[in-house]
Amino acid sequence: DAKTTQPPSMDCAEGRAANLPCNHSTISGNEYVYWYRQIHSQGPQYIIHGLKNNETNEMASLIITEDRKSSTLILPHATLRDTAVYYCIVRPNSGGSNYKLTFGKGTLLTVNP
Amino acid sequence: GAVVSQHPSWVICKSGTSVKIECRSLDFQATTMFWYRQFPKQSLMLMATSNEGSKATYEQGVEKDKFLINHASLTLSTLTVTSAHPEDSSFYICSGGPRERSYEQYFGPGTRLTVT
Repeated sequence: DAKTTQPPSMDCAEGRAANLPCNHSTISGNEYVYWYRQIHSQGPQYIIHGLKNNETNEMASLIITEDRKSSTLILPHATLRDTAVYYCIVRPNSGGSNYKLTFGKGTLLTVNP
Repeated sequence: GAVVSQHPSWVICKSGTSVKIECRSLDFQATTMFWYRQFPKQSLMLMATSNEGSKATYEQGVEKDKFLINHASLTLSTLTVTSAHPEDSSFYICSGGPRERSYEQYFGPGTRLTVT
């Protein structure tokens, strides 16, 4: 799987947008960008994924650059409950063991009151 | 999203004993489930891929005789830590996805194992 690079930590004020960057310069054409987050002592939670188009759901927006070498996860109105470690993962959407997720160190987002 | 449960949520056992952790998909069938381990302040590390009806596939460095995985049905995978030692104390997390959309992975809440 392609390697990703994320800043180790970020801070955000409550109510403001949180923009979490991810670099994946070696991404392959068949690899998707996935974002998960892990709140302390819980299992990871799926947030969003995309291939090349920008995506939006009820949790967040995903902006992928045209060359697909980087992406940004946007939490439009961060709350204290969004404090978590955010993982950016790239992998193909094909079958078998390709479904496994390889977690990096992620970004610890701290939302401050 | 789909729901994955784990049981127990936490367990304390004595060194040398075995502990079984269950991972269930509550509203979908999963031909493949994954087991991860997470030490404090570290990221999740994949231990093994659990395949329904066949042997599990272990990641390099994971002892298959120590971490026994059974995936007897499409909704249940179990991880047994045999002859547990204090260094096996960790947070164990499983994940699975609907077999028709296996690229969607849903994680259990995790099991905190403490070996004394």
